[in-house]
Amino acid sequence: QQQVKQSPQSLIVQKGGIPIINCAYENTAFDYFPWYQQFPGKGPALLIAIRPDVSEKKEGRFTISFNKSAKQFSLHIMDSQPGDSATYFCAASRAGSEKLVFGKGTKLTVNP
Amino acid sequence: EAGVVQSPRYKIIEKKQPVAFWCNPISGHNTLYWYRQNLGQGPELLIRYENEEAVDDSQLPKDRFSAERLKGVDSTLKIQPAELGDSAVYLCASTRTSLGDTQYFGPGTRLTVL
Repeated sequence: QQQVKQSPQSLIVQKGGIPIINCAYENTAFDYFPWYQQFPGKGPALLIAIRPDVSEKKEGRFTISFNKSAKQFSLHIMDSQPGDSATYFCAASRAGSEKLVFGKGTKLTVNP
Repeated sequence: EAGVVQSPRYKIIEKKQPVAFWCNPISGHNTLYWYRQNLGQGPELLIRYENEEAVDDSQLPKDRFSAERLKGVDSTLKIQPAELGDSAVYLCASTRTSLGDTQYFGPGTRLTVL
């Protein structure tokens, strides 16, 4: 049973576009929702994270939108650049547990 | 500050052979994780250490996998014997504490079992 479902599997946008990646979770005990960015040959790196007490968090060009009632959260990348081309993973964990449950990832390609 | 160091970066072995991966976490990080990332998938936790104690190894296939973290710093993950299905990237991550800190990942070891 996949606890965190991520879509789409791949995404292609033009430079300046706003790619949106969506995740849905099942376990209502989850209370920490990070997004990781992974370049080929590298380990995942934390991009931005949110907790359920807020509905939106913005850091630079990256924004997380969180809908607790729908058990969904999404990543928006404003003014996307070719350097943003990478695989993005959403994840979730619950209080008292450091076990991150990852989605399957979205391969983003930003064309020049 | 140096990041999480892993070695080797790549390993190709025949099935039934043993293999070991090494991880050096960020200095001062007490919590260490081993993840396995299959092609096209997100990382999956294998084991978590708090200092030298394995506090969550529920996802570690104990019939062939073992891990140790002597002295609570470096860690080694071993597979013996390796199977074809073990081909994956093995990632090590560390955090300063287990209280919701950011997990910092190493570059991983890409294992290919032939």
